[in-house]
Amino acid sequence: QQPVQSPQAVILREGEDAVINCSSSKALYSVHWYRQKHGEAPVFLMILLKGGEQKGHEKISASFNEKKQQSSLYLTASQLSYSGTYFCGTVNTGNQFYFGTGTSLTVIP
Amino acid sequence: GAGVSQTPSNKVTEKGKYVELRCDPISGHTALYWYRQSLGQGPEFLIYFQGTGAADDSGLPNDRFFAVRPEGSVSTLKIQRTERGDSAVYLCASSLMGQGNIQYFGAGTRLSVL
Repeated sequence: QQPVQSPQAVILREGEDAVINCSSSKALYSVHWYRQKHGEAPVFLMILLKGGEQKGHEKISASFNEKKQQSSLYLTASQLSYSGTYFCGTVNTGNQFYFGTGTSLTVIP
Repeated sequence: GAGVSQTPSNKVTEKGKYVELRCDPISGHTALYWYRQSLGQGPEFLIYFQGTGAADDSGLPNDRFFAVRPEGSVSTLKIQRTERGDSAVYLCASSLMGQGNIQYFGAGTRLSVL
């Protein structure tokens, strides 16, 4: 049930781009993205509903391909503040919510 | 308060003891979730309330774990006969309606079972 994220970890220099992928084995209704900094609670970034939409939030955007049951998070021109662990959260057609396996992102100067 | 409040922030207990963890959701949020997060892992779903009733408790690991939300607001997660493997951060989240809605998280309760 738990969505699988890739990569597990990534290190970027400031200004570089990254893509984080989230894949589910179940048919999905929506996908959420959250970021969690060390010792803090997860913070909501964005939600994507089925329909293949793409959303943007500053320099962070995401896409959702419901046919492939996949979502990707795109971080462009990364900043130090982007460091943290990123989790996708999926809502399947059975209305169950699961967090993904997580991707640790470290941005260095 | 404006956000989700969890108390205590830290709880240290001995193996075999009973503990209660409290969650006070955002006012007006009908849905409330409990998760458990171990170091380096993602939040693991435990239980989801819609109003006063548990809409999905499939994530509770065994019958030592129980949660209530008697008035549809504050929720208490209860763990009986604690084991060392129960040590984790317990996160609570609330949302305006149900699954598929944005979840707002509390800071969590760090439970340590010695």
